[in-house]
Amino acid sequence: TQLLEQSPQFLSIQEGENLTVYCNSSSVFSSLQWYRQEPGEGPVLLVTVVTGGEVKKLKRLTFQFGDARKDSSLHITAAQTGDTGLYLCAGDSSYSNSGYALNFGKGTSLLVTP
Amino acid sequence: EAQVTQNPRYLITVTGKKLTVTCSQNMNHEYMSWYRQDPGLGLRQIYYSMNVEVTDKGDVPEGYKVSRKEKRNFPLILESPSPNQTSLYFCASSFQGPNQPQHFGDGTRLSIL
Repeated sequence: TQLLEQSPQFLSIQEGENLTVYCNSSSVFSSLQWYRQEPGEGPVLLVTVVTGGEVKKLKRLTFQFGDARKDSSLHITAAQTGDTGLYLCAGDSSYSNSGYALNFGKGTSLLVTP
Repeated sequence: EAQVTQNPRYLITVTGKKLTVTCSQNMNHEYMSWYRQDPGLGLRQIYYSMNVEVTDKGDVPEGYKVSRKEKRNFPLILESPSPNQTSLYFCASSFQGPNQPQHFGDGTRLSIL
């Protein structure tokens, strides 16, 4: 199992603030995916990053894949209450010889208050 | 509508009574997998399947069985459920593998008494 460490575990901020959450590993991944999960629902994919150093933007969300493909970050600008949820990163093992499993971090639980 | 459908959504049962959670996808996906989600432990993969008749263990396979006889279905079987299998379970599918977008079902909350 290739561990993905997410930080912080919990984050509570007010609307309009900026924030960054991190996803770190000692392993190299061929790609990293970011999901958001809301209570009572399954995770929904936000973005996949594939190339080392890649930056992808999704409206106010900016995702970056580390140069060494071991870590990633998610930056939210001017957070809104609708951004509340559990943010999960996931890395696939196909870059190693560990088969075709997909490993998730434990997630960052974000609460944005008015 | 493209979707992954799990049934049941909720189940309360007793130790030792065999149960099956069904999962079906209508997107012709080859890769399917099962996860359990527990507080403080996150999403952990139980089993995955690269295609029909091809299954492999994830991180926490003990106490579970799966089968992939048809492309669209990937049932999760608990032959003799125990209380430590009380959890929220998710089925997911993707076109070809773990490096592609995963489509998740809405989850099945199992309580084993």
